[in-house]
Amino acid sequence: AQSVAQPEDQVKVAEGNPLTVKCTYSVSGNPYLFWYVQYPNRGLQFLLKYITGDNLVKGSYGFEAEFNKSQTSFHLKKPSALVSDSALYFCAVRPDSSYKLIFGSGTRLLVRP
Amino acid sequence: DTAVSQTPKYLVTQMGNDKSIKCEQNLGHDTMYWYKQDSKKFLKIMFSYNNKELIINETVPNRFSPKSPDKAHLNLHINSLELGDSAVYFCASSQRGGNQPQHFGDGTRLSIL
Repeated sequence: AQSVAQPEDQVKVAEGNPLTVKCTYSVSGNPYLFWYVQYPNRGLQFLLKYITGDNLVKGSYGFEAEFNKSQTSFHLKKPSALVSDSALYFCAVRPDSSYKLIFGSGTRLLVRP
Repeated sequence: DTAVSQTPKYLVTQMGNDKSIKCEQNLGHDTMYWYKQDSKKFLKIMFSYNNKELIINETVPNRFSPKSPDKAHLNLHINSLELGDSAVYFCASSQRGGNQPQHFGDGTRLSIL
């Protein structure tokens, strides 16, 4: 079965430190990969996507993600976290043969002042 | 100038009632979606329409029926509401194409008494 795993329910970092939110997937073919962020009582907002090409993808608000095909991972990173980055982050994968977007279970990021 | 708007934002109703949630997008997208987010924040696709044609129909009770009068609107009607239907329902839209990000509304929080 096709799936997306976010192994950490929660990630805590201090403001100014780098952050990583992990995502691995089990999907056949060459899927499209996405990261979304959800703030309280809001819908999901698109952050970035990987289609093909450079393994380091840059997105909104200073976020970037590193694609690793051999490890089937797509980890979200930011060099210097802000308190305002505290939110729920979702990794999502769309198999190239499907219309469906498969979401991970979400990782809550807490950035301490 | 909200891109994807859902009404109502909150819906509190009794078990057994029938209710509808409306969604409209002004982005010119041709594909729209309904998702359910449960209390643990897990997101699951329910339906998707492309140019008024149903393209995703997940294993959802047939009490749930989507309707797309035109490609800018996708409504969700729910018959005989049950306690387990309590959740946040998100509408989203995108251009057709696997690499296109989805744009989400802010959700409708449905509470069944």
